[in-house]
Amino acid sequence: RKEVEQDPGPFNVPEGATVAFNCTYSNSASQSFFWYRQDCRKEPKLLMSVYSSGNEDGRFTAQLNRASQYISLLIRDSKLSDSATYLCVVSLAYSGAGSYQLTFGKGTKLSVIP
Amino acid sequence: DVKVTQSSRYLVKRTGEKVFLECVQDMDHENMFWYRQDPGLGLRLIYFSYDVKMKEKGDIPEGYSVSREKKERFSLILESASTNQTSMYLCASRSSWLDNEKLFFGSGTQLSVL
Repeated sequence: RKEVEQDPGPFNVPEGATVAFNCTYSNSASQSFFWYRQDCRKEPKLLMSVYSSGNEDGRFTAQLNRASQYISLLIRDSKLSDSATYLCVVSLAYSGAGSYQLTFGKGTKLSVIP
Repeated sequence: DVKVTQSSRYLVKRTGEKVFLECVQDMDHENMFWYRQDPGLGLRLIYFSYDVKMKEKGDIPEGYSVSREKKERFSLILESASTNQTSMYLCASRSSWLDNEKLFFGSGTQLSVL
């Protein structure tokens, strides 16, 4: 069973649409959760952390459901510039000296079309 | 902002060559990581280091070694490059403070082994 699973997509949506991505994780002891964004041929960058109570940053909303072991990312009013691959990241294990090892999902590709 | 610099953007090597990939960060981060990213497989952790001269194997360490002689520099070594090590290599760094798990990535090195 994969540790972190995402629907690979691609999700092709028109500008202005609302799109949601889900991610499931297998280890119930997982500590922290994140969404990273990766543009084509670029490095991943942190989009937002995911908190137990859910959190919002502008058009982006992240939710965590510990009971069902999934996290979600909702993008409202999609822009062309939102086109990217979105990576679900889970902190799974304490590796020593204050370091938590992160595991990445394979990513969900989003294309926003005019 | 944090800067993580990888020495080469593109590299072409021959089978059997010894290859050094260098990564330098300028924010005094304790933790540094090497990932490889392949289509359909996502990011996979090769090695990480949580302090100078400290290293731990990630998920796919076979065929690789690392060196962390100075805090700002983390080197990935392919002792004898093989064609299946053709990949995008991404270095990342992070503070070890528990409330700051944000990873900063370098722009990547696309390695081709012929």
